[in-house]
Amino acid sequence: SQTIHQWPATLVQPVGSPLSLECTVEGTSNPNLYWYRQAAGRGLQLLFYSVGIGQISSEVPQNLSASRPQDRQFILSSKKLLLSDSGFYLCAWTPPNTGELFFGEGSRLTVL
Amino acid sequence: AQTVTQSQPEMSVQEAETVTLSCTYDTSESNYYLFWYKQPPSRQMILVIRQEAYKQQNATENRFSVNFQKAAKSFSLKISDSQLGDTAMYFCAFANFGNEKLTFGTGTRLTIIP
Repeated sequence: SQTIHQWPATLVQPVGSPLSLECTVEGTSNPNLYWYRQAAGRGLQLLFYSVGIGQISSEVPQNLSASRPQDRQFILSSKKLLLSDSGFYLCAWTPPNTGELFFGEGSRLTVL
Repeated sequence: AQTVTQSQPEMSVQEAETVTLSCTYDTSESNYYLFWYKQPPSRQMILVIRQEAYKQQNATENRFSVNFQKAAKSFSLKISDSQLGDTAMYFCAFANFGNEKLTFGTGTRLTIIP
């Protein structure tokens, strides 16, 4: 069966520090991968999605970037965090042609 | 661009009662998916139910069912015989056929009262 994991679960970082959140999927190949951010009262905002290794599409211009160095690995990064980057970040994947997302456990980032 | 609107930020209902969560969406497409996702407190978000727009029959999953009104662009979720474990944030979501990027509503926080 397929599983998705992301880490760390919680992270407290000072403004201006770098960020790296990792996500891996097991039990499938060539998944579509996604990074969402969840803010209170604003639902889920799609940040990045990837249909293959090295293929990243950005939905929202911002201080973050994403990379997909391996088929089942998706990384969310920042060189210098801003206060506004605080939030709950969710990684997700979809099997082809279903539209159905499977989510990771989430990473709560607090920037101080 | 598609939009999804959930007009009920919070709801509460007594255990064993029935509750309906509202969702409306806006799209010019004719083929698409609709979803309800559940996010329990401090737990992983999971799919509750999905509906393909070309299907006229409303989807059901045990105690969960939807009322899909395509012309009205409405997609409500009904939870029957509500249980304490149904307490969660519920998100309505939309995706076009062939485009697997979901658009989410802002969520409804549902509390089941013992």
